[in-house]
Amino acid sequence: GAVVSQHPSWVICKSGTSVKIECRSLDFQATTMFWYRQFPKQSLMLMATSNEGSKATYEQGVEKDKFLINHASLTLSTLTVTSAHPEDSSFYICSAREEGRTGNQPQHFGDGTRLSIL
Amino acid sequence: GESVGLHLPTLSVQEGDNSIINCAYSNSASDYFIWYKQESGKGPQFIIDIRSNMDKRQGQRVTVLLNKTVKHLSLQIAATQPGDSAVYFCAETPRTYKYIFGTGTRLKVLA
Repeated sequence: GAVVSQHPSWVICKSGTSVKIECRSLDFQATTMFWYRQFPKQSLMLMATSNEGSKATYEQGVEKDKFLINHASLTLSTLTVTSAHPEDSSFYICSAREEGRTGNQPQHFGDGTRLSIL
Repeated sequence: GESVGLHLPTLSVQEGDNSIINCAYSNSASDYFIWYKQESGKGPQFIIDIRSNMDKRQGQRVTVLLNKTVKHLSLQIAATQPGDSAVYFCAETPRTYKYIFGTGTRLKVLA
């Protein structure tokens, strides 16, 4: 149980293109999802917290107009990298908390999206 | 032994030996800690967690130890196997649902 699916797993596109990444909780509902960015040989850096039915909360230094987050249902959050440039190339990973469970619990992670901007 | 790579410390162990991966966390207010395993090109996979009211928790072949006095967390893997080769991250939560990840340790299992 507790599977998070991320799509696409890999995308290459030209500079200036906008790219949408989907994060779905397959067998549970998730009020809260998280988006991370990971550079090679480095740790995961939280970009934003995605809340179902409300605006995302962005971490300091993350441009909200650059990284658009939409969490329209309890099983889907999307991250759109707008007008992507080579410096946006990275590994983007989402995670989800299971709805209805109180207190601390592990986040369930997707398998990431490798984004390469040419 | 341990060595520091470009960004990621590496721990090399012989197959069958026990592994100990260490993590220093930053926030004394953190009350929940988690260990994740990340294989190349994949997302983190949950291994084990521990709450701040405990100092030890055991799973299958894994044990997590928490020392709040020195803000230290460790993951012990018994009888390390080739499939254990991966990068291991600790994460802390300072009384929110957000994770703060550690820098990670690469575990290499030598045949």
